[in-house]
Amino acid sequence: DTGVSQDPRHKITKRGQNVTFRCDPISEHNRLYWYRQTLGQGPEFLTYFQNEAQLEKSRLLSDRFSAERPKGSFSTLEIQRTEQGDSAMYLCASGRGDGNEQFFGPGTRLTVL
Amino acid sequence: AQSVAQPEDQVNVAEGNPLTVKCTYSVSGNPYLFWYVQYPNRGLQFLLKYITGDNLVKGSYGFEAEFNKSQTSFHLKKPSALVSDSALYFCAVRDTNAGKSTFGDGTTLTVKP
Repeated sequence: DTGVSQDPRHKITKRGQNVTFRCDPISEHNRLYWYRQTLGQGPEFLTYFQNEAQLEKSRLLSDRFSAERPKGSFSTLEIQRTEQGDSAMYLCASGRGDGNEQFFGPGTRLTVL
Repeated sequence: AQSVAQPEDQVNVAEGNPLTVKCTYSVSGNPYLFWYVQYPNRGLQFLLKYITGDNLVKGSYGFEAEFNKSQTSFHLKKPSALVSDSALYFCAVRDTNAGKSTFGDGTTLTVKP
């Protein structure tokens, strides 16, 4: 399968713990995006990379969230000191930028107890 | 700033009838416009896009969309709906000068036999 993959698919954690998610994009795509989706809402932009450079980060994103794409390939999204409000589906997508569409992974569902 | 509105949470049509799922957008510059579909327990899948050129664009599974600059709309259409078209549909916009996409909150399409 040459699509976008995300790991883990599900994560249950206790409030205050740190979590890290991984995304492996389609190999030839230079752009990688992170979104958060809650029930009844569309994907909400978090951040995106072009190659290894993080070009934009949502102002809604608190300092507890950080993302990296160290070699311009896979990316990680870390949430520190999780809160119950962080419970959501975290989506990763990759693409070629400009007018090209994004290809989405299956998402990581986070539940914070 | 950019935004998307999908004014209908739910659209119900009978199989064989035409369907329309509405989308209006706002961008400061020129838009790239996209439609994505999400089937239950599946990731978002790209349907079609408007970049430039013809206002009527055709996409996967017989769907098409019409870009109307004066009305800032990009409605999704299909001449004859199938039960298998039942899914959650998202409209997205990206300013041609921006990197991130903004998604609407989605419209649930139900096609009844």
